[in-house]
Amino acid sequence: TQLLEQSPQFLSIQEGENLTVYCNSSSVFSSLQWYRQEPGEGPVLLVTVVTGGEVKKLKRLTFQFGDARKDSSLHITAAQPGDTGLYLCAGRFYNQGGKLIFGQGTELSVKP
Amino acid sequence: NAGVTQTPKFQVLKTGQSMTLQCAQDMNHNSMYWYRQDPGMGLRLIYYSASEGTTDKGEVPNGYNVSRLNKREFSLRLESAAPSQTSVYFCASSDWAALTDTQYFGPGTRLTVL
Repeated sequence: TQLLEQSPQFLSIQEGENLTVYCNSSSVFSSLQWYRQEPGEGPVLLVTVVTGGEVKKLKRLTFQFGDARKDSSLHITAAQPGDTGLYLCAGRFYNQGGKLIFGQGTELSVKP
Repeated sequence: NAGVTQTPKFQVLKTGQSMTLQCAQDMNHNSMYWYRQDPGMGLRLIYYSASEGTTDKGEVPNGYNVSRLNKREFSLRLESAAPSQTSVYFCASSDWAALTDTQYFGPGTRLTVL
């Protein structure tokens, strides 16, 4: 059973545009992480959020955790071709024994 | 410091053949994991080992077995490969610090079962 929904699945934009990726669940996350994966490699952690309403920034990337801790978003400002890759949200739930549950992923393509 | 290493990087099997995927980490992590990644499905947990000497099933364990050989090594075995097991397999490790631990992933093994 997929507990975590990520959208959109695909995103193709021009360099300089802004974009937002969403991660939602019907259950409360105990914590949520965003990973980025480049072709032929494993995912790499970008950020961890734990507190409802939390906002974290990583250069042009802004991560928000919903007040109710059931949703999160990743916003990229002025996307660059180097941002191209697969973005994955991954959450932990209180009844899942600490295991990480991954969303389906968002494939982002930023064209010059 | 190699992090998490996986062998082989690529493998082609015929239906019914067996093979073992190897994983090793040099970060002294307690926990190790095996995931499979299929298009549009994200990563799905196959098996994990919270600490040396323990293993537990994940979301999709059928058709697989694992061995935590020691603190560094965690192997995944396919006893009788099926086309449905064609996938990219990732090994990961972490300290298992509950809410905030980072999982470090290997480069993956691309497996095709004909």
